[in-house]
Order: sequence, then C-alpha cells, then structure tokens
Amino acid sequence: DAGVIQSPRHEVTEMGQEVTLRCKPISGHDYLFWYRQTMMRGLELLIYFNNNVPIDDSGMPEDRFSAKMPNASFSTLKIQPSEPRDSAVYFCASRTGQGRVNTIYFGEGSWLTVV
Amino acid sequence: AQSVTQLGSHVSVSEGALVLLRCNYSSSVPPYLFWYVQYPNQGLQLLLKYTSAATLVKGINGFEAEFKKSETSFHLTKPSAHMSDAAEYFCAVGSGFQKLVFGTGTRLLVSP
Repeated sequence: DAGVIQSPRHEVTEMGQEVTLRCKPISGHDYLFWYRQTMMRGLELLIYFNNNVPIDDSGMPEDRFSAKMPNASFSTLKIQPSEPRDSAVYFCASRTGQGRVNTIYFGEGSWLTVV
Repeated sequence: AQSVTQLGSHVSVSEGALVLLRCNYSSSVPPYLFWYVQYPNQGLQLLLKYTSAATLVKGINGFEAEFKKSETSFHLTKPSAHMSDAAEYFCAVGSGFQKLVFGTGTRLLVSP
C-alpha cells in the first residue's frame, strides 16, 4: 500500500510568493495532520482534519497559513505571502480513526526554503 | 497539557555499545507513548508504542522501551548499536488519539 505522498519534495521560492504544499493521505485514513519541523522549534502540529473537517488549527502560526481538505484523498497547506522564517520541513501524516491508539504515518516531507 | 522532555540533543556511541535515549513525560491522564525514528531526508517512522498493556515494549530493529510510571519515563534502549541506527529519534506523548506532542529529538551518532 502506498504511504502518505507529499509534493513537492523540495521548493525554493522568493519572499512574498505563494507556496502550496500538497498531500495525499493513505487510503482509508480519516485523520490528516500537518506538522512543521525546524531546528529551533522541533516538530509542531499545525492543524489536523477528521473526515475532511478541520478540528484543531491552533498551531497555525498566522493568517498567512491556510489548509484545506476538499476530499478524503487530498489536502493542501498554503502560505501566502511566504517569508524567510517559514523555511522548514513540512510533514503531512495520516491515521485511521479505528481504535484509540493507532499509528500516525508520516510522509517524507516538503522541504521549503524561502529566500 | 502533555509534554515530553528528551535529555540530550546528541548521543554518541560506538558500534556494538548499548544505546540509551532518555525520555520523560508529563501527563495529567494515563499517557500513550511513542518513539519515532527519522533517517536523513526522510519522514518519521514508528519504532514502538506503549498503550497501557505491557510496560516493556519491543519495537523494530531491536529497540525496546520500558514505561516507568513512578519515574514518568519511557527510555529507549538497544543492546548493541549498529551503524545503520544513526538517525534522529523522537519521543511523543498522546492521550486522546488525535494529537501527539513530540519531544525535541535526540540525534544518535554511531562510530565504528
């Protein structure tokens, strides 16, 4: 079975540009998470969805960040306008909602550099 | 609120030596605890998890961890390090199954 698929794997963009990161969760998983990883702050949960509905977006840093999940097999994380401090690795992850303690599966990440 | 503290941002061992990566947690409810590993330029993958069954949990690649409630610890061990174990290791805690809170990670360096 395919894992969590993210694109692009690497992106370099100029400050002020819009960035869109994409994620395809594992088929059948009804929870989707977006994490950000930086040297300074480690792994931070930005937002998560259950059955395509955003449940908790308290980790989204500011209004420049937005996330959508239009259907069960696709989600986007958008940064507009981007800033150098947004440079990080962004991970998408998913899990099934069956049972209480199921493993969260991570994608390989999108490495974003804003110059 | 829940949190985890990983002691030591870097741990260096020789190949064949014991690996010990420390994790202490804070939780007001019975916790679920996880160890994830991240190899360079890759995502995180699960090593093992504690879900209130056996306190000694065995994971992949010869790793294991012991849940000690009295010490609020969930340290990760491996009897004999291999070069391929060099990676970053993350401890995480959850209660409800939606959210995990991750520690800051420990980079394991293995020398020949």
